[in-house]
Amino acid sequence: QVRLQESGPGLVKPSETLSLTCTVSGGSISTYYWSWIRQPPGKGVEWIGYIHYSETPKYNPSLKSRVTMSVDTSRNQFSLTLTSLTGADTAVYYCAAGWGSHWGAPGSWGQGTLVTVSS
Amino acid sequence: DIQMTQSPSLLSASIGDRVTITCRASQGISTYLAWVQQKPGKAPKSLIYGASRLQSGVPSKFSGSGSGTDFTLTITYLQPEDFATYYCQQYDSYPHTFGQGTKLEIK
Repeated sequence: QVRLQESGPGLVKPSETLSLTCTVSGGSISTYYWSWIRQPPGKGVEWIGYIHYSETPKYNPSLKSRVTMSVDTSRNQFSLTLTSLTGADTAVYYCAAGWGSHWGAPGSWGQGTLVTVSS
Repeated sequence: DIQMTQSPSLLSASIGDRVTITCRASQGISTYLAWVQQKPGKAPKSLIYGASRLQSGVPSKFSGSGSGTDFTLTITYLQPEDFATYYCQQYDSYPHTFGQGTKLEIK
């Protein structure tokens, strides 16, 4: 089964930009639908958006103006960029993979990376 | 956005029990419903997709049912490793949304 590993800064200042990368192993970047999902400490789960290498990404409207996703097929990685950060963006960020007709239900998740927005 | 409402939010049960968690969507989502399990400090783990289909490697003690707006997750013969928080997720419409979670604790 495909395996995922998030990487990026653990601490970012307010108003700055967050960049996270998810490295994929055990599967091709062109096969799956890739999602980013986040969970603020002690709170529920929020879908950020998805990307497929051959489709236009889809983002949560609550974040749409601040989020960008991209795929790097040469490195088997995909990434998330989130601008104009505030404390409300403090969360564990997960990358996830879905496939087949039910790709929207990710079958594999990364371990998550905690991002704290603080000065 | 489609609102997903789970009940109960907290469920106390004993080892060996059978429990059921319900999830209601604010509008019909066919069977585009998933269930995930999350243990403290760990990533969510996918259990069920398509409302009733088990992900590979998930034991048959987990089962899901429902379509449209009402769904259930049933866990039989509870074992210590089953005590966790469970979330439903709809992926019928954008944005995909999750329920608020049901924490299953040992009585």
